[in-house]
Amino acid sequence: AQTVTQSQPEMSVQEAETVTLSCTYDTSESDYYLFWYKQPPSRQMILVIRQEAYKQQNATENRFSVNFQKAAKSFSLKISDSQLGDAAMYFCAYRSSGGSNYKLTFGKGTLLTVNP
Amino acid sequence: GAGVSQSPRYKVTKRGQDVALRCDPISGHVSLYWYRQALGQGPEFLTYFNYEAQQDKSGLPNDRFSAERPEGSISTLTIQRTEQRDSAMYRCASSLGVRDSSGNSPLHFGNGTRLTVT
Repeated sequence: AQTVTQSQPEMSVQEAETVTLSCTYDTSESDYYLFWYKQPPSRQMILVIRQEAYKQQNATENRFSVNFQKAAKSFSLKISDSQLGDAAMYFCAYRSSGGSNYKLTFGKGTLLTVNP
Repeated sequence: GAGVSQSPRYKVTKRGQDVALRCDPISGHVSLYWYRQALGQGPEFLTYFNYEAQQDKSGLPNDRFSAERPEGSISTLTIQRTEQRDSAMYRCASSLGVRDSSGNSPLHFGNGTRLTVT
């Protein structure tokens, strides 16, 4: 079974600075998808960024980018120019491309605080 | 509405009572998922429907939990004889299908039902 580990329960960053959230995962599969979700206090669950494992190029969405290291099974999220609205719980998630490709496996989350 | 709608938003019930949680997916979404999120944890998969067919219920913790989607749209997650350990956020998500033309089908999550069993 796949597992996702987020080793940082909490992180903080100054407004306008850059922060990196860590995520590692364990899988025996070669093809899969990785995601970062944002959960603000409003309780929404918002997809931030997605990475396909077969793509070597790291995904980027505006101020959000990932560092995907397939061999190391690492998938970190970098937030540049942090804004107060970035404060939230962030979840890393894994999705198989095989038989259970409908199922997301989440990490425990990292609570990000943005200081003004 | 444009998003996945869940009701009630909050539910407080006494131990031993049955509860029914409702999910109204985005119109046209054939895939529907239930997840449970305990405090301080990430969401955990409970069950998955493709249209009205329950394809996977392996994540349901025990036989007190059941789910249905009789007409392939609205789904209900029922917990019988609730226990305090059932207290959690229950999230529903829907998608167009398991895969879209790009090989992915983004999940759209509802805002969840916060269940408290006293």
